[in-house]
Amino acid sequence: DAKTTQPNSMESNEEEPVHLPCNHSTISGTDYIHWYRQLPSQGPEYVIHGLTSNVNNRMASLAIAEDRKSSTLILHRATLRDAAVYYCILKEAQKLVFGQGTRLTINP
Amino acid sequence: SAVISQKPSRDICQRGTSLTIQCQVDSQVTMMFWYRQQPGQSLTLIATANQGSEATYESGFVIDKFPISRPNLTFSTLTVSNMSPEDSSIYLCSVVGQGRGPYEQYFGPGTRLTVT
Repeated sequence: DAKTTQPNSMESNEEEPVHLPCNHSTISGTDYIHWYRQLPSQGPEYVIHGLTSNVNNRMASLAIAEDRKSSTLILHRATLRDAAVYYCILKEAQKLVFGQGTRLTINP
Repeated sequence: SAVISQKPSRDICQRGTSLTIQCQVDSQVTMMFWYRQQPGQSLTLIATANQGSEATYESGFVIDKFPISRPNLTFSTLTVSNMSPEDSSIYLCSVVGQGRGPYEQYFGPGTRLTVT
């Protein structure tokens, strides 16, 4: 399985934007970039995914580098509820293989 | 979307015993997955369960220890057999949403297992 590298932890302030980086230098042409997050005491939930172009949805934006070797999840205006572990995953076929993720702390 | 329920939500078991975890989905799904999350760790995929065929296990996981049933398109069970304290984890069921392309995966709330 292709691998991703994320910082172990990040911290931000409420109502400020958050940029969560992910490196995936061994990505193949068919790998989709998925982001999931796991709130405390809950199962993971889908955030966003993309292949080549930048993507936006109601939760976040995903910026994908032109060479696809890195991507950034952008939370435009963080709230306390966004405190979670964020996982960047390269999905091939149907399996999600989780790395260690980034633990995001939001300060009030 | 898919709504997933798991039973039990938590349990405390003695070593050497077995526990069967149930996963119920509110819609028919082709693929179901079972994950384990050890304390303070990320999720590890145990196996993929497709209806009508044997489960496919990931490296490090074997059928004798984690037998899985998938009797229909909305239900699956995972049994943790001959438990030891190292099996203390959260076990999560997951399904892939229907549709084309790299669609979302949904997770149940998990079963928190403590083995004493």
